[in-house]
Amino acid sequence: QKEVEQNSGPLSVPEGAIASLNCTYSDRGSQSFFWYRQYSGKSPELIMSIYSNGDKEDGRFTAQLNKASQYVSLLIRDSQPSDSATYLCAFSGYSTLTFGKGTMLLVSP
Amino acid sequence: EAGVAQSPRYKIIEKRQSVAFWCNPISGHATLYWYQQILGQGPKLLIQFQNNGVVDDSQLPKDRFSAERLKGVDSTLKIQPAKLEDSAVYLCASSLGTAEAFFGQGTRLTVV
Repeated sequence: QKEVEQNSGPLSVPEGAIASLNCTYSDRGSQSFFWYRQYSGKSPELIMSIYSNGDKEDGRFTAQLNKASQYVSLLIRDSQPSDSATYLCAFSGYSTLTFGKGTMLLVSP
Repeated sequence: EAGVAQSPRYKIIEKRQSVAFWCNPISGHATLYWYQQILGQGPKLLIQFQNNGVVDDSQLPKDRFSAERLKGVDSTLKIQPAKLEDSAVYLCASSLGTAEAFFGQGTRLTVV
């Protein structure tokens, strides 16, 4: 059974701070890793994908992947109240796309 | 580029009734997923299609749920008969192979 572990939170950070979201996965055959953002009552929205070890930056978002440790993280710099949402980690190997339960992020003004 | 289309957006049914959901993926996307998301949980994969073939349906409650993807494009997910615990949001997503998946707006089902 493929599993994704995320701290459910909520993770509370003040506006302007760095938010750090973490995820571990069980399937060593995983090749693709994704972070989705889900606002309350909305469907998940893809914000980052990462396929190789190291860091990938896109605007205020940085994804970090360590396949040896089976660990992926998402850093959000200069957090804004509009970043308040649930962040879902997901991975895929050769077939299915598996999601974690998500971490709720609360950014206070 | 049009996104993933789902209908209906909302559905309220009584237990033991049947219901069907429809999904039209992004044009050219061979992979189509149906997920169930219960409040406070992450999406749970029900079934994954590659074109019109089933890749994974291991978590689909086959005694009451069925899904098909005719001609490798549109898909329908059916529940018959519905139970109270089927109340959830049903999400359809599509992707090119195992690359990034994009979601539709979902169907919120309430079983009373």
